[in-house]
Amino acid sequence: QKEVEQDPGPLSVPEGAIVSLNCTYSNSAFQYFMWYRQYSRKGPELLMYTYSSGNKEDGRFTAQVDKSSKYISLFIRDSQPSDSATYLCAMPDFGNEKLTFGTGTRLTIIP
Amino acid sequence: SQTIHQWPATLVQPVGSPLSLECTVEGTSNPNLYWYRQAAGRGLQLLFYSVGIGQISSEVPQNLSASRPQDRQFILSSKKLLLSDSGFYLCAWQTASNQPQHFGDGTRLSIL
Repeated sequence: QKEVEQDPGPLSVPEGAIVSLNCTYSNSAFQYFMWYRQYSRKGPELLMYTYSSGNKEDGRFTAQVDKSSKYISLFIRDSQPSDSATYLCAMPDFGNEKLTFGTGTRLTIIP
Repeated sequence: SQTIHQWPATLVQPVGSPLSLECTVEGTSNPNLYWYRQAAGRGLQLLFYSVGIGQISSEVPQNLSASRPQDRQFILSSKKLLLSDSGFYLCAWQTASNQPQHFGDGTRLSIL
């Protein structure tokens, strides 16, 4: 079993819809959670960085963490064509310099 | 503010040729530095990381090597490229463990 599981998609939704992207993890040592957005032929850029269980909101983006279920989500409200990208979740192991990444979900927003 | 530079953006090399990819970070001191490879449709594979000058940790034994000659410079090298070395190579920096990593725009390497 992989430490981090992420549905690769592809996921296509109409413009304006709410998008839900998810990751599950197996290592209870993961305490911090990150979401990255990667446009084609570009490096990943950090979208959200959370520590606590619960929700963290930044504009149209909301990151949700449920440590009891080992489940994290990224919600995108009022989705735009510019949100079309691959979204990766990532988690550092405590005291470890390395990040464990999900394989990424490819999202397309249809105008 | 901190910035990261990777070059070249695109590279086409013949099998058996050498490789040198360079990454530099500005605006921070003593960062952790990382090299990743991303194959098409697949996740990020950590190749090397460094917590200081001359300190290199290898994650996957292979045809590549890394060096950190200066605090904010990280170099990925190969003496003889293989077809399987094709991919998208990403450099990243981090201020400390458990902090987010920040990525450069990558080098797309094609081996012919």
